[in-house]
Amino acid sequence: DAGVTQSPTHLIKTRGQQVTLRCSPKSGHDTVSWYQQALGQGPQFIFQYYEEEERQRGNFPDRFSGHQFPNYSSELNVNALLLGDSALYLCATSVGRGTEAFFGQGTRLTVV
Amino acid sequence: QKEVEQDPGPLSVPEGAIVSLNCTYSNSAFQYFMWYRQYSRKGPELLMYTYSSGNKEDGRFTAQVDKSSKYISLFIRDSQPSDSATYLCAMSGGTSYGKLTFGQGTILTVHP
Repeated sequence: DAGVTQSPTHLIKTRGQQVTLRCSPKSGHDTVSWYQQALGQGPQFIFQYYEEEERQRGNFPDRFSGHQFPNYSSELNVNALLLGDSALYLCATSVGRGTEAFFGQGTRLTVV
Repeated sequence: QKEVEQDPGPLSVPEGAIVSLNCTYSNSAFQYFMWYRQYSRKGPELLMYTYSSGNKEDGRFTAQVDKSSKYISLFIRDSQPSDSATYLCAMSGGTSYGKLTFGQGTILTVHP
């Protein structure tokens, strides 16, 4: 049973560029949430997708957007990258409205 | 004031010790409580998932929830060097159902 997979694992981008991160959910899971984790901090909720729609959103600017595909996989897009966007980006998946969430290994984004 | 407070440590114990990790929270709507373990540069791994108040045991791990005090704990018995990691508490419920709110994480080192 494949768990949650994220790609790429590492990424270096220049300030002002755009980035797309990808997530494939654990088998049987249909809900995808994205989190940002700064060094030494707990993950912060960005948004959640269910049935291809954004269901909840955290306190992040519109530069952060996402998408969910019919196969439940998801993308996180960040535009106009800032140095402060450097972090570990985590995808978590669950079933329906369930809160039992399983995380991928994350994508480490460095903005220079 | 943060919704979830967790002592960042670091906490250092000898092998075989009993470890106690704690979180306090302010949102009385939280009903679902989780503990995650995160190794360096990896995604969080779900250790314990509990609903409402009470205790839950799984091997060497015991999770306790006291909703009246807004306090949760994770106990690790017979700690091993492989338990060395960052431990994150997370919560969900009420209007933020499905969204996990995390503590800062406690860094634990178990030395042989």
